[in-house]
Amino acid sequence: SQQGEEDPQALSIQEGENATMNCSYKTSINNLQWYRQNSGRGLVHLILIRSNEREKHSGRLRVTLDTSKKSSSLLITASRAADTASYFCATDTGGFKTIFGAGTRLFVKA
Amino acid sequence: SQTIHQWPATLVQPVGSPLSLECTVEGTSNPNLYWYRQAAGRGLQLLFYSVGIGQISSEVPQNLSASRPQDRQFILSSKKLLLSDSGFYLCAWRGGPGITDTQYFGPGTRLTVL
Repeated sequence: SQQGEEDPQALSIQEGENATMNCSYKTSINNLQWYRQNSGRGLVHLILIRSNEREKHSGRLRVTLDTSKKSSSLLITASRAADTASYFCATDTGGFKTIFGAGTRLFVKA
Repeated sequence: SQTIHQWPATLVQPVGSPLSLECTVEGTSNPNLYWYRQAAGRGLQLLFYSVGIGQISSEVPQNLSASRPQDRQFILSSKKLLLSDSGFYLCAWRGGPGITDTQYFGPGTRLTVL
């Protein structure tokens, strides 16, 4: 079964608005990562947050992690049409595998 | 810098034909290597991973196999393709635990089995 599950499955917003995507997971983790995938392409790593961190920023991205609720959120501020993509959370439990969720498809309308 | 290559980019194969997809990594040594399959509009399903030459771990029993003949080469194969093997295949690498937890993905191969 999937370790990470994103919510919502799809999100449509206007350019300039903020986009928030959530991820829930089931077991203890070492870190949680967010990836982006443009249609028909490979995934690109966006940001990694470790289990002892609560918030992290990278440019227009803000990630939070609540280990007590086993959840994370990705906020994209001032979205652009170029942010249109699928976003995946992925969890690392310290072994060799990283488990990916089903993704949130974001569509930003110009 | 590290680079990961996959080929071919697209492939259309008849049912029952063999398959060989290749992935190579440049600029790093002893990477962990991964094969994923992604159905249209869905998440990633881990198929195989390898922590060293000749070491393959299979996650899902299926019609596919993997091999790692060299440190930076990972091959996905099938003797006879099924319709259900259609999908987008992604290769990825990462360092070992404690080295780097980020996975770096290749551009993918879109396989259509007819």
